[in-house]
Amino acid sequence: EAQVTQNPRYLITVTGKKLTVTCSQNMNHEYMSWYRQDPGLGLRQIYYSMNVEVTDKGDVPEGYKVSRKEKRNFPLILESPSPNQTSLYFCASSDRGETQYFGPGTRLLVL
Amino acid sequence: SQQGEEDPQALSIQEGENATMNCSYKTSINNLQWYRQNSGRGLVHLILIRSNEREKHSGRLRVTLDTSKKSSSLLITASRAADTASYFCATYSWGYQKVTFGTGTKLQVIP
Repeated sequence: EAQVTQNPRYLITVTGKKLTVTCSQNMNHEYMSWYRQDPGLGLRQIYYSMNVEVTDKGDVPEGYKVSRKEKRNFPLILESPSPNQTSLYFCASSDRGETQYFGPGTRLLVL
Repeated sequence: SQQGEEDPQALSIQEGENATMNCSYKTSINNLQWYRQNSGRGLVHLILIRSNEREKHSGRLRVTLDTSKKSSSLLITASRAADTASYFCATYSWGYQKVTFGTGTKLQVIP
């Protein structure tokens, strides 16, 4: 089954404690993205990757890091989380510019 | 920055009525995509329309694209309670190499 998986689905953490949200896809897509969704603001792109070892900033990259060492995985790293990073996060994959397949989302609360 | 802006922000209709949502964008695009999101869950792709297409159908969905006005509309005919969700447009531009989402329209279909 074609899918994008994210882990964890829910996470409560404290300010400054490094965390990683994993994302994996099984469709051999080149393009992967991370979005955050906040009420009234829609989805905003954090980072995207067009292929292995190729990543670029989206609209709201501050406070986040990504890596793309393998085609299937695209982890999102928060080195020092802050309360303003409390949000709902989505990973997505696609062939470049085509239909995006979304993961189920990760709800993050930073205290 | 947001590329797509949906209108209206919220829409409430009776079951059986048609629902129309509009999306406006700012720059030239290669394609425009519509997605549905049930409360807090991952986005599901509905339709992709390319810049050289004017209209596309999928079941009860009809999408139009007017590149001269930089706008698109999504029509859901004979709505059902199960259509209650948020609907997002997203645009893709080769020049920007990324997909940009709007803020969404929240549709409520009353049984």
